[in-house]
Amino acid sequence: NAGVTQTPKFQVLKTGQSMTLQCAQDMNHEYMSWYRQDPGMGLRLIHYSVGAGITDQGEVPNGYNVSRSTTEDFPLRLLSAAPSQTSVYFCASKGSTDTQYFGPGTRLTVL
Amino acid sequence: GENVEQHPSTLSVQEGDSAVIKCTYSDSASNYFPWYKQELGKRPQLIIDIRSNVGEKKDQRIAVTLNKTAKHFSLHITETQPEDSAVYFCAAVRAGGTSYGKLTFGQGTILTVHP
Repeated sequence: NAGVTQTPKFQVLKTGQSMTLQCAQDMNHEYMSWYRQDPGMGLRLIHYSVGAGITDQGEVPNGYNVSRSTTEDFPLRLLSAAPSQTSVYFCASKGSTDTQYFGPGTRLTVL
Repeated sequence: GENVEQHPSTLSVQEGDSAVIKCTYSDSASNYFPWYKQELGKRPQLIIDIRSNVGEKKDQRIAVTLNKTAKHFSLHITETQPEDSAVYFCAAVRAGGTSYGKLTFGQGTILTVHP
């Protein structure tokens, strides 16, 4: 049982490049979400999904796309990276209880 | 939407002292309040949580109190140890309904415990 996994751990992009951050969980959790963490601002919700085929926006969705084709996977896509998207990205999942489990994070730098 | 304010932003204590971190929230419908500990370079990990039908919860050296009327909740760590040094985040959510799982986090408190 690996829990929540994320790849890659680190990524450097140039402005305008696109990429996909991967997130997977093996706990059969219906709810998955993406947060970004910036210094002094805590974690802010980007997008979330309450089940396969269902996604919705969080607090800071601009510049990011998501899809949820399976229960296990919830990728986050940056269409055209900007320096303001330099951050640490955490994926989380939640089952029938209120507890959310976080992945190890992806540290993204956009030059 | 929900807004969570957390204080202090940094807290420095001597080993063995107590530490208290306070959070206020704005949405009176929020009913689940978790606390996360994040060590440097690691993921946030749940250390304790409280629901709105409970005023206090304790787990060994950590405790959380909730005042629904004032809309604030606090984390108390007693007999602090150097390994308690980390960033602590509070969060609030209206569990269930359309806000299902949408945690709103405070800004974080950097706790340093000096040996």
